Amino acid sequence: DAGVIQSPRHEVTEMGQEVTLRCKPISGHNSLFWYRQTMMRGLELLIYFNNNVPIDDSGMPEDRFSAKMPNASFSTLKIQPSEPRDSAVYFCASSTSGSNNEQFFGPGTRLTVL
Amino acid sequence: GENVEQHPSTLSVQEGDSAVIKCTYSDSASNYFPWYKQELGKGPQLIIDIRSNVGEKKDQRIAVTLNKTAKHFSLHITETQPEDSAVYFCAALAGANNLFFGTGTRLTVIP
Repeated sequence: DAGVIQSPRHEVTEMGQEVTLRCKPISGHNSLFWYRQTMMRGLELLIYFNNNVPIDDSGMPEDRFSAKMPNASFSTLKIQPSEPRDSAVYFCASSTSGSNNEQFFGPGTRLTVL
Repeated sequence: GENVEQHPSTLSVQEGDSAVIKCTYSDSASNYFPWYKQELGKGPQLIIDIRSNVGEKKDQRIAVTLNKTAKHFSLHITETQPEDSAVYFCAALAGANNLFFGTGTRLTVIP
């Protein structure tokens, strides 16, 4: 298995532009998580899906952020409009459903908003 | 919500020595405590985990202990090697799938 796949690996954009991050979870995993990692705040859960349905989006910072999971093999995290303070590494992770199951992380997308 | 604190933030040890990283959590309902290793430019990878019905777990050079009464858990790495150098995160599971992470420990193993 290729593991969790994220694209792009790096994104540099200007303030105000729309940014779309993509994730393909491990086949057979039905839980998907989006995290943000910064030096100041560490690893924060933004949102997670179970069977393509958003379960908890309380970590989404504001309305500029949105996430979708149209099918079991694809999810997007969109920021519109982007701001410099959104600069961070965004990770996608997946797991089988149920509590206490290992979350497998993707390689991350490093976002820089100028 | 859950609050996980991790210490120290940086740790340097000589190759062959042991390293210990400590975490505390606040939510007594948390019942799953994984440890992740993150190498430069990569996503975190699970190295060991412990569930609340167990006090200690060992996997070769890595061990984790859990004290539910005191709400703290620790990672122990023995006979450290240069390839152990990385950032280590503890986490606690609160609710069905919410993992709360510590702030990380940058471990440097000096050859």
